[in-house]
Amino acid sequence: EAGVVQSPRYKIIEKKQPVAFWCNPISGHNTLYWYRQNLGQGPELLIRYENEEAVDDSQLPKDRFSAERLKGVDSTLKIQPAELGDSAVYLCASSDRGESYEQYFGPGTRLTVT
Amino acid sequence: GQNIDQPTEMTATEGAIVQINCTYQTSGFNGLFWYQQHAGEAPTFLSYNVLDGLEEKGRFSSFLSRSKGYSYLLLKELQMKDSASYLCAVRVWDKLIFGTGTRLQVFP
Repeated sequence: EAGVVQSPRYKIIEKKQPVAFWCNPISGHNTLYWYRQNLGQGPELLIRYENEEAVDDSQLPKDRFSAERLKGVDSTLKIQPAELGDSAVYLCASSDRGESYEQYFGPGTRLTVT
Repeated sequence: GQNIDQPTEMTATEGAIVQINCTYQTSGFNGLFWYQQHAGEAPTFLSYNVLDGLEEKGRFSSFLSRSKGYSYLLLKELQMKDSASYLCAVRVWDKLIFGTGTRLQVFP
């Protein structure tokens, strides 16, 4: 079974530029999460989708961040414009709402804003 | 607010036993996860506790006391490959709240 796929793995951009991250969850997983992980910290939830509906986006900085999950499968997370403080690893995870709600993480996209 | 505390760093010797503690104060509780994260890689699932007590899985065990807001991860027969960060995460309804992680270094 393929795991959660993310691309790109690394991205370097200048501040004020736009950037987009893509995630393909595990087949059959209805719930998809985007997290941001700063160096030396645990992941922090940005947004959670149930199928194509964003059910928790309370931590998403909506002035510059946007996300979509068309057709309830793949998802993209966009930042426009990027700021220096956005440098972090952006992790995508998915789960199937089983008994434990275990989340399976992708390898992440390491964003560096210069 | 939500608060999850773990030690920042720990060191141990190959073959030894190490216990990583996690204390939490959250607005709700629906279970506690431990994840392992090697540098530059995704977190991977280690254990899940929803009831009090000890869950054993090979060299790894996890303990939970809901009344004390306390959990620990026990790693036995440490190997060099166990050098990683260990993340404690509390499930509050459908959301996982992570601690900052404990970076474990295993020395020969």
